[in-house]
Amino acid sequence: GAVVSQHPSWVICKSGTSVKIECRSLDFQATTMFWYRQFPKQSLMLMATSNEGSKATYEQGVEKDKFLINHASLTLSTLTVTSAHPEDSSFYICSVRSGSSTDTQYFGPGTRLTVL
Amino acid sequence: KQEVTQIPAALSVPEGENLVLNCSFTDSAIYNLQWFRQDPGKGLTSLLLIQSSQREQTSGRLNASLDKSSGRSTLYIAASQPGDSATYLCAVIGAAGNKLTFGGGTRVLVKP
Repeated sequence: GAVVSQHPSWVICKSGTSVKIECRSLDFQATTMFWYRQFPKQSLMLMATSNEGSKATYEQGVEKDKFLINHASLTLSTLTVTSAHPEDSSFYICSVRSGSSTDTQYFGPGTRLTVL
Repeated sequence: KQEVTQIPAALSVPEGENLVLNCSFTDSAIYNLQWFRQDPGKGLTSLLLIQSSQREQTSGRLNASLDKSSGRSTLYIAASQPGDSATYLCAVIGAAGNKLTFGGGTRVLVKP
């Protein structure tokens, strides 16, 4: 399967600052990348879907101006949490997929964000 | 709107016992169903993927069945080991789009 990395693995920041999380597909041409968030003891909730070179498609209820997603290449997508607040504290996970919706998605190890 | 439910939410068994994890989904029009494993504070590891045309998939001690018409999948783990302790998530991709919809997960504890 594909190897997906995320950086950083954890980050603590002050309220009001912006945080950028990187998702890299190390050995895989990721035409589509997904960003999820997961609250403690809950399942994954899809935030947005991005295709390389295109604007991301956000799920209902996710503020696109707050969660900026850039998918500039087939191996890199970034999620920037702008003006983070304590309620943004969560576990953020990216996943990648190469082709059609029948293909397996491969997940990154996640990034733990804590906003003080 | 697709909804995925996993029962039970938590399960504790002694080592060696077989595990049976259930997943149900409301819309049977799916492309495929995946089972994942998640360790605490970690990402997801794909265990098995069943295409909508398939009825089961096997990998080692793991076997997953799919009954698309009734909206159900079951993950069987034979001869459980303490290392199997984790949260198991099922997810489906529906015909309406290309997105995975996850169930709430089953937290499994295998006691030595």
